[in-house]
Amino acid sequence: KNEVEQSPQNLTAQEGEFITINCSYSVGISALHWLQQHPGGGIVSLFMLSSGKKKHGRLIATINIQEKHSSLHITASHPRDSAVYICAVPSGGSNYKLTFGKGTLLTVNP
Amino acid sequence: GAVVSQHPSWVICKSGTSVKIECRSLDFQATTMFWYRQFPKQSLMLMATSNEGSKATYEQGVEKDKFLINHASLTLSTLTVTSAHPEDSSFYICSARVGADRAFFGQGTRLTVV
Repeated sequence: KNEVEQSPQNLTAQEGEFITINCSYSVGISALHWLQQHPGGGIVSLFMLSSGKKKHGRLIATINIQEKHSSLHITASHPRDSAVYICAVPSGGSNYKLTFGKGTLLTVNP
Repeated sequence: GAVVSQHPSWVICKSGTSVKIECRSLDFQATTMFWYRQFPKQSLMLMATSNEGSKATYEQGVEKDKFLINHASLTLSTLTVTSAHPEDSSFYICSARVGADRAFFGQGTRLTVV
């Protein structure tokens, strides 16, 4: 079973700061997901990436397959970015059957 | 973009009753959907893989007779929690694959069994 570790567990930032959330996993994978979970519970899929870097607006995700590590960056953070950010990796041979990290609770203060 | 609609978003039921949660793909066909459960301050855990037109595949430790999954069409998968008990109180969420690189999630259902 793939073990997924996220850090930090909690992160508080001031509006405008650059945010980095890290994710490490134990077993080689073909792709990794970054998800955002809002206080009400709803989940949004931010990225699925298998190599290099992806960018969407102020969000950037990178992955190093050899080092089994991925990072999620948020530039110019805003209070509306406050949420739990979760990385997830495939298990059982499917890119969509996922094992999740425990999440990083991000709070961005105005 | 693709939307996965989950209903209801929250439900309170009495012990011993059954609750049905629906997960619909609104603008695409989903041959496979996944059902997850999340207890407070815990990670999401995969419960089962729902396959259109065939039996669901359950993860180890998940009782198939208690958590009935039906995927009768390409746009609808349902999870029924039968004879619910307070320990079944949790956040349940479904997801579906869209295209080659995205997974879309429903809004989730917060179940409270009293």
